[in-house]
Amino acid sequence: GAVVSQHPSWVICKSGTSVKIECRSLDFQATTMFWYRQFPKQSLMLMATSNEGSKATYEQGVEKDKFLINHASLTLSTLTVTSAHPEDSSFYICSARGTSGPHPTDTQYFGPGTRLTVL
Amino acid sequence: GQNIDQPTEMTATEGAIVQINCTYQTSGFNGLFWYQQHAGEAPTFLSYNVLDGLEEKGRFSSFLSRSKGYSYLLLKELQMKDSASYLCAVRDQMDSSYKLIFGSGTRLLVRP
Repeated sequence: GAVVSQHPSWVICKSGTSVKIECRSLDFQATTMFWYRQFPKQSLMLMATSNEGSKATYEQGVEKDKFLINHASLTLSTLTVTSAHPEDSSFYICSARGTSGPHPTDTQYFGPGTRLTVL
Repeated sequence: GQNIDQPTEMTATEGAIVQINCTYQTSGFNGLFWYQQHAGEAPTFLSYNVLDGLEEKGRFSSFLSRSKGYSYLLLKELQMKDSASYLCAVRDQMDSSYKLIFGSGTRLLVRP
């Protein structure tokens, strides 16, 4: 299947610092990437939709100034959690929708996730 | 409104067959997906249905009835490694971003 990577896989930071998470589609181009957050034993909650070259679309209740998204190229989107607090501790997962390459364009492929712990 | 329902938990025996149901009510419909997610890992794609009927992929099959707003994932010859959460997700036709709306997931426990 399609390969989507995330970096870092886990991060521990102090309260008040900012953390950047990268999401890359390795073998296909993705004009659209999605960022999700998942708390323990809960399902995926969509945070925002990231389109290459344009501003991200945030879901209701997600603070765009706190969760900065940049989709600078067809293979890279970044999520920056600014001034992180303990309640931001969660599993952050990105997905990418393919528009070219060998993979079906109808499918979202997920990265391995980033576990953020804010002390 | 958007609503996707799945059972919260299911238990089955190794070697058996289990069916995980999903019902949905969305403003539009442009495909239904099933994903498998092991604890602490990201979801992996299992199947995609956009037309009515059964799609078979090895031990896994997925069925869709658009008129009933209903899908199921069928797992045959269960193995211990199939213990995971199974997520049903619908893509809304009315949304050009192709975003998915996820159900809460069904935690499947396979016992020896």
